[in-house]
Amino acid sequence: GQNIDQPTEMTATEGAIVQINCTYQTSGFNGLFWYQQHAGEAPTFLSYNVLDGLEEKGRFSSFLSRSKGYSYLLLKELQMKDSASYLCAVVDTDKLIFGTGTRLQVFP
Amino acid sequence: DSGVTQTPKHLITATGQRVTLRCSPRSGDLSVYWYQQSLDQGLQFLIQYYNGEERAKGNILERFSAQQFPDLHSELNLSSLELGDSALYFCASSPDPSGRPYNEQFFGPGTRLTVL
Repeated sequence: GQNIDQPTEMTATEGAIVQINCTYQTSGFNGLFWYQQHAGEAPTFLSYNVLDGLEEKGRFSSFLSRSKGYSYLLLKELQMKDSASYLCAVVDTDKLIFGTGTRLQVFP
Repeated sequence: DSGVTQTPKHLITATGQRVTLRCSPRSGDLSVYWYQQSLDQGLQFLIQYYNGEERAKGNILERFSAQQFPDLHSELNLSSLELGDSALYFCASSPDPSGRPYNEQFFGPGTRLTVL
């Protein structure tokens, strides 16, 4: 079966850096996605990792360690508009399985 | 705007009824995925179609069914509705030529279903 864990909620201050962790257990790992979802809206793609290491894209970076079943999403120079849920999703064989998401609140 | 359209935006119905949700993928995308999102749960993968054929199945109830038509639009049919079926239903499309979820998925705006 699959198991994906990420913190339920996090808070941070505008301009700061926040790291959202995700751990997973799957039988047929084929990559890990991060999506952003504002309340009541559709998820939007942030990153995809299939090999170990860090992928950087502007203010957002994503890291993967397949041996540890671990990923994190790093958000730098936080802005108020970054307040949203961040969904970790793992490709298990041929299905994309989402975690329950981390709700991030950014305060001024 | 992701390029994926879903209708209707909102749907209110009664227990025991049957509804159909519609999704049109982005131009050129062959895969359509359906997800259910309840308040207390994350996005739950229901089913995937690729170029007209069922490709993968998730936690889809037997009361639910889907299909993808030759023009690639897809419909999700929910029958014998229960209160617990109230949720946001998303469809997503993907350009992955293999028909596997190895590429970014583009999500539609969702259909909010309320069962009274």
